[in-house]
Amino acid sequence: AQSVTQPDIHITVSEGASLELRCNYSYGATPYLFWYVQSPGQGLQLLLKYFSGDTLVQGIKGFEAEFKRSQSSFNLRKPSVHWSDAAEYFCAVSYSGAGSYQLTFGKGTKLSVIP
Amino acid sequence: NAGVTQTPKFRVLKTGQSMTLLCAQDMNHEYMYWYRQDPGMGLRLIHYSVGEGTTAKGEVPDGYNVSRLKKQNFLLGLESAAPSQTSVYFCASSYLQTGTVNTEAFFGQGTRLTVV
Repeated sequence: AQSVTQPDIHITVSEGASLELRCNYSYGATPYLFWYVQSPGQGLQLLLKYFSGDTLVQGIKGFEAEFKRSQSSFNLRKPSVHWSDAAEYFCAVSYSGAGSYQLTFGKGTKLSVIP
Repeated sequence: NAGVTQTPKFRVLKTGQSMTLLCAQDMNHEYMYWYRQDPGMGLRLIHYSVGEGTTAKGEVPDGYNVSRLKKQNFLLGLESAAPSQTSVYFCASSYLQTGTVNTEAFFGQGTRLTVV
């Protein structure tokens, strides 16, 4: 079964510092990978996605992620964090098959930003 | 453009009561999903639908039923609510994109349900 691991439950960074959130997936087939952000009391907003092609993908709000097949990873990065980036971040994976396109989510990484 | 709309946003139920959560999307998406979100657990799939009139079980389907009578609506029912069903429920929808197999999911704002 497909699964997603986000090793860090909670990360705290200073405003202006760089950020990397880790995500590892497990499955043999080509994955479709996503990063979502959730602000408190809100729904999930898509930051970026990887389907195929260039393994470095750019997203909204200055985020980027790199797909590394050899490491089964899809880590999210941002060069300079803003206080408004404080939120919970979810990595998700999907695969085609049997007519279903369900997403499997990691348990999330909560990001705190120190002013 | 409303996107995905969930009704209600908040609800408190007594154990044993029933209720229906409504999800409506105006994007003509084929696929719709119900997730529950619990602290430290991420989002777990309850049921999903790949088209009007079809439903399928996800990871945690017990205690829930769903129906997709119209393409734009996906209903989640709790027949006899239990405290373990206290959670935040999210509906999502997605679509087929030419040249790729899968697409992103668009989420509603969530329904916070408390069962006492």
